Amino acid sequence: NAGVMQNPRHLVRRRGQEARLRCSPVKGHSHVYWYRQLPEEGLKFMVYLQKENIIDESGMPKERFSAEFPKEGPSILRIQQVVRGDSAAYFCASATSGGPSGANVLTFGAGSRLTVL
Amino acid sequence: RKEVEQDPGPFNVPEGATVAFNCTYSNSASQSFFWYRQDCRKEPKLLMSVYSSGNEDGRFTAQLNRASQYISLLIRDSKLSDSATYLCVVNKGFKTIFGAGTRLFVKA
Repeated sequence: NAGVMQNPRHLVRRRGQEARLRCSPVKGHSHVYWYRQLPEEGLKFMVYLQKENIIDESGMPKERFSAEFPKEGPSILRIQQVVRGDSAAYFCASATSGGPSGANVLTFGAGSRLTVL
Repeated sequence: RKEVEQDPGPFNVPEGATVAFNCTYSNSASQSFFWYRQDCRKEPKLLMSVYSSGNEDGRFTAQLNRASQYISLLIRDSKLSDSATYLCVVNKGFKTIFGAGTRLFVKA
């Protein structure tokens, strides 16, 4: 019974390149969250998605960042034209529900660590 | 003001000590509350949910005070393996907000 699977675990990119981070949620979970964590800092919410829908992207930078969660396949966080400040750990989490009734327990993946040279 | 505020610490305590962490949140409409634990360079993992009535799981006790918008975590008889960062987490609907965490170091 696999948990949240993220890949790649480590990614090195040069400035200006693109980074694609993938997340497969726990089987049966239809809610996916992406968080960013800078070294020695807390988790910052980026985006919340359900299958084929972005529900809340208020934490995601308006430019260069995008996320999707297609009907089939993993959720993808895409960072275009990366800069050094994008270097961070990107954590994906999934949940069974995200609605107002929720005791919304998140299960996290091991994270993808992006290093921009 | 941050939505979820925690004392960053670090708390340095000897084995066997009792240590308490506090957390405040700003949104009075928040619905559910949790403590997560994060080890160095690892993902956060759920430690326990927090209820107004208080709840206990072994050496860990969590308490919620809705009137004061305050959450606490008490760890009794600290072990070396308790060394980690403890994250206070507040949820309203689909929005789950993490505090920046309190670092705990338990020394032999």
